[in-house]
Amino acid sequence: NAGVTQTPKFRVLKTGQSMTLLCAQDMNHEYMYWYRQDPGMGLRLIHYSVGEGTTAKGEVPDGYNVSRLKKQNFLLGLESAAPSQTSVYFCASTNSFDTEAFFGQGTRLTVV
Amino acid sequence: GNSVTQMEGPVTLSEEAFLTINCTYTATGYPSLFWYVQYPGEGLQLLLKATKADDKGSNKGFEATYRKETTSFHLEKGSVQVSDSAVYFCARIGMDSNYQLIWGAGTKLIIKP
Repeated sequence: NAGVTQTPKFRVLKTGQSMTLLCAQDMNHEYMYWYRQDPGMGLRLIHYSVGEGTTAKGEVPDGYNVSRLKKQNFLLGLESAAPSQTSVYFCASTNSFDTEAFFGQGTRLTVV
Repeated sequence: GNSVTQMEGPVTLSEEAFLTINCTYTATGYPSLFWYVQYPGEGLQLLLKATKADDKGSNKGFEATYRKETTSFHLEKGSVQVSDSAVYFCARIGMDSNYQLIWGAGTKLIIKP
């Protein structure tokens, strides 16, 4: 009963390093999302995908790239990490727009 | 515009107290409304939802009623427990937000025994 799985759970990066966060869902959901969560700011949408091979920008896309080569996976990339990208990142997936969104457990990223 | 406003936290209550967490929204039309809960160290999970005016969502003793007159979706529980300590997020989704979830900032709830 995996649901949405994010890897890694924790990571520390130096400024300028790159990394990729992986989100995998086993519910055959069409829509997948990447959010960042910062204290007092709720969730902010970074990028999202409405199906395999499609991606779109959310509210705060700068400094991030995404890919959805397979329906079950949604990758979030940081090409050159900055301290402002220190945050907790959540992936989510849904089957349709107004049904329940399922979340991963989050990735805590610190950029020093 | 599209927004969701929640009462600021933290909200601190004693066990068995009555809980209200206010949530209001702005929207064009009638969006679907949600409450999500985030327990410490975990991702968010759906608590309850309502998809049209006057609907009442309920789960685990929590309730919220979709009030279009006041554009509100306040979360209530009659008797809270220590295990209800978490962060609660109000959210909406609709055609005017391109079917993306619009989130409130979250309200941290602390229940003391």
